Amino acid sequence: EPEVTQTPSHQVTQMGQEVILRCVPISNHLYFYWYRQILGQKVEFLVSFYNNEISEKSEIFDDQFSVERPDGSNFTLKIRSTKLEDSAMYFCASSVAASGSYGGNNEQFFGPGTRLTVL
Amino acid sequence: AQSVTQPDIHITVSEGASLELRCNYSYGATPYLFWYVQSPGQGLQLLLKYFSGDTLVQGIKGFEAEFKRSQSSFNLRKPSVHWSDAAEYFCAVGAPSNTGKLIFGQGTTLQVKP
Repeated sequence: EPEVTQTPSHQVTQMGQEVILRCVPISNHLYFYWYRQILGQKVEFLVSFYNNEISEKSEIFDDQFSVERPDGSNFTLKIRSTKLEDSAMYFCASSVAASGSYGGNNEQFFGPGTRLTVL
Repeated sequence: AQSVTQPDIHITVSEGASLELRCNYSYGATPYLFWYVQSPGQGLQLLLKYFSGDTLVQGIKGFEAEFKRSQSSFNLRKPSVHWSDAAEYFCAVGAPSNTGKLIFGQGTTLQVKP
């Protein structure tokens, strides 16, 4: 069964450093997402990406964040200068259609997450 | 603004007992509603979803949920809980746009007693 994969599973970094979190979405999916979950809190939407551009981003997704689909298979989230409050579990997800597509196959498949720890 | 509330942070039920997890949403139009389950160390897995039509939807693993517009609720139920159901459950709402954004509730942790 196809699945979303994420690497690394755990990333430890120093405050101010850049990190890149990697995701391989399911191959025939067209919509890609990043969410994060700070320990003990709810899952929060960061960004959605379609047709090689951001379709929506949350207020969390400021200039320190960027996403890229560098090739036909990977989808990355970059944090330029990490802060302590960026420590969280980051989930990548992908779907064939967007969640608003009525009747469409819009289930979002989530990866297992990358736990980012900023020291 | 859209929001999702799961009033119960933690629920404990005995194996074989019935289960109901509550979810209330705030949204101006008819939302797209989802229930996800997260087992320790795993990603989120979709249990079921509601778009329109029959307000009682069936999902995987024997779960069902009922959409009640008058109560702005989408409660998840299971008639007989198994020990393997112990996990965290998230209710989410998706806006009827083309961006795919999901808004999650705080989650309910389910513990199953033998």
